[in-house]
Order: sequence, then C-alpha cells, then structure tokens
Amino acid sequence: AQTVTQSQPEMSVQEAETVTLSCTYDTSENNYYLFWYKQPPSRQMILVIRQEAYKQQNATENRFSVNFQKAAKSFSLKISDSQLGDTAMYFCAFILYTGTASKLTFGTGTRLQVTL
Amino acid sequence: DGGITQSPKYLFRKEGQNVTLSCEQNLNHDAMYWYRQDPGQGLRLIYYSQIVNDFQKGDIAEGYSVSREKKESFPLTVTSAQKNPTAFYLCASSIDPGRSYEQYFGPGTRLTVT
Repeated sequence: AQTVTQSQPEMSVQEAETVTLSCTYDTSENNYYLFWYKQPPSRQMILVIRQEAYKQQNATENRFSVNFQKAAKSFSLKISDSQLGDTAMYFCAFILYTGTASKLTFGTGTRLQVTL
Repeated sequence: DGGITQSPKYLFRKEGQNVTLSCEQNLNHDAMYWYRQDPGQGLRLIYYSQIVNDFQKGDIAEGYSVSREKKESFPLTVTSAQKNPTAFYLCASSIDPGRSYEQYFGPGTRLTVT
C-alpha cells in the first residue's frame, strides 16, 4: 500500500518570502504521479502542481515549484514570493499509473499561514 | 462555465435517516470519485466510477452506496449503517485516466448527523 507523509502540521511565512513544504511517500511501484493540492478556507480543493515520476525535470507553475527526489521518495513544494492568498491547507497526494481510474492517496496536510 | 457542482453546501440529518449527496459535472469527464475528509486527516476514497453503470469500492465504502446512471452524475447515499457520517464530502472527476490522472474537485458538502 502507498502512504504519504507530511511532517509539518503548520507553517508560517511572511509575505514576499519563500517557504518549502515537505512531503515523503512510500511505494514499491515505479510509475506514478504526485500532486500538491491547496485547500483555502472555502474548502475547495485546488490543484497546484503535478509531477510525473518518469520525468526527471522538476515541475514549475509560476511561483510554485517542486523538488522531486525519486530515490529518496521526497516531493517538496516551494512557494516563492508568498502572498496572503496562499494561506491555506496544502495536501501532497500520490496516484499510481494503472491505466484506469484509481485513488489519490493524501497526506494529512500542512496548514500554511502567510503574514504581513 | 464547466465545472463540478455539489449540493447542498450544508446538510443536516437525524441519526437513522439515509441521505443522498448530489454531484454533477459538465466537463465531459469519464471518471468520478467520492472522498471523505475528517478534521486533521487527508481525504479518503469512498467510491469511484470509471464509466456509466460501473463503480468500485474505495477504502471506506462501508455504509455508503452510489449509482452512475449518467456520465454527468454520481450521487452518494450515506446510509444509516454508516457509524460516523458527520464529515465533509468531496466529489471529484477526471478525464480518461489513461490520458491524465489529474482529479478536479467540487466545492464539497458538509454533512452533520445528530
């Protein structure tokens, strides 16, 4: 079974600063995808960034980037130039590539507070 | 605008009653999913469906039932057999899983059973 661990329950960062959220996962499989989702106070889950395990290049989406270390099974999220609107719960998620519908396995989340 | 709708946003029921949560999508996605979120936990999969008239149990299916009669709709029934039904329920959908594994979520329904 796959597991996802987020070891930082809460983090705080000042506006315009950079913050990194950690995520590790455990799997014996080789073909999978990793995601970061953001859940603001509205509780809508919003996809932030995705990474295919077969790609060595780290994914980037504007101010969001990941550091994907496949051998270490690590998938951290870096938020640059933090904004007040980044305040939210952030969930790391894992999904196996099976060619059919399958579940996302989520971590327990990191609550990020961006302050002035 | 394309998207996923869940209604209602808040739902209150008495213990012992079945209740059905609605999920509709107009994204022409093939697969749909139901997740449950409890405080301090990530989301856990209840049921999923890859095509119409077919669905599979997830990790916590006991006490729940679903149907998939139309591609756009995937309602979830919380039965009286579910021991702890109070939770936040999220519906998601994805395009053909053979092409993309991104799942997109609806706004959720907060169910409170007393």
